[in-house]
Amino acid sequence: DVKVTQSSRYLVKRTGEKVFLECVQDMDHENMFWYRQDPGLGLRLIYFSYDVKMKEKGDIPEGYSVSREKKERFSLILESASTNQTSMYLCASSFSDSYKNEKLFFGSGTQLSVL
Amino acid sequence: GQQLNQSPQSMFIQEGEDVSMNCTSSSIFNTWLWYKQDPGEGPVLLIALYKAGELTSNGRLTAQFGITRKDSFLNISASIPSDVGIYFCAGPLSQGGSEKLVFGKGTKLTVNP
Repeated sequence: DVKVTQSSRYLVKRTGEKVFLECVQDMDHENMFWYRQDPGLGLRLIYFSYDVKMKEKGDIPEGYSVSREKKERFSLILESASTNQTSMYLCASSFSDSYKNEKLFFGSGTQLSVL
Repeated sequence: GQQLNQSPQSMFIQEGEDVSMNCTSSSIFNTWLWYKQDPGEGPVLLIALYKAGELTSNGRLTAQFGITRKDSFLNISASIPSDVGIYFCAGPLSQGGSEKLVFGKGTKLTVNP
């Protein structure tokens, strides 16, 4: 069964802390994505990666960075967490084939609270 | 930013009722997708539409790709409690030389037994 695993279901951090959100997929997908989900705003793309060591900014990259050192792992980094980054974070992956690219497989999400 | 307008934002219905929701855009899409997010989980793809005018069913779900390629509809017949969740429309959009999937803001469905 295909799987996208996010390391934490819930996280509570303090303002100014450096936060790492980890995501691992076991489907050998080339593409990986980080979204944040807020009530009334839907899913907004933060960063994505189409290959190892490659990254591209999404729609709301400010305050975030990412790392993709291995194909199966895509990390989201909050350099200095702020309260407005309290949100549900969703990781997703997909094949690189343009036909299959539309089918994203999502993890269960990490609910991050920044106090 | 957001390119898809999804409505309604939320729906409260009785078990057994039919449900309709839609998604519109000012841009033309070559693919329309519908995802469902169960409470506490990530979204899962329900239906994919690839051709204008296409009507596709998946059990009690039926989705249509609008003729203008700027809209799509999702219908759920005879709703049951497990239909509860957030339904998202999505479509691939080419921006800055790469293709990204853009999502609507979702329709939150509540089904009363």
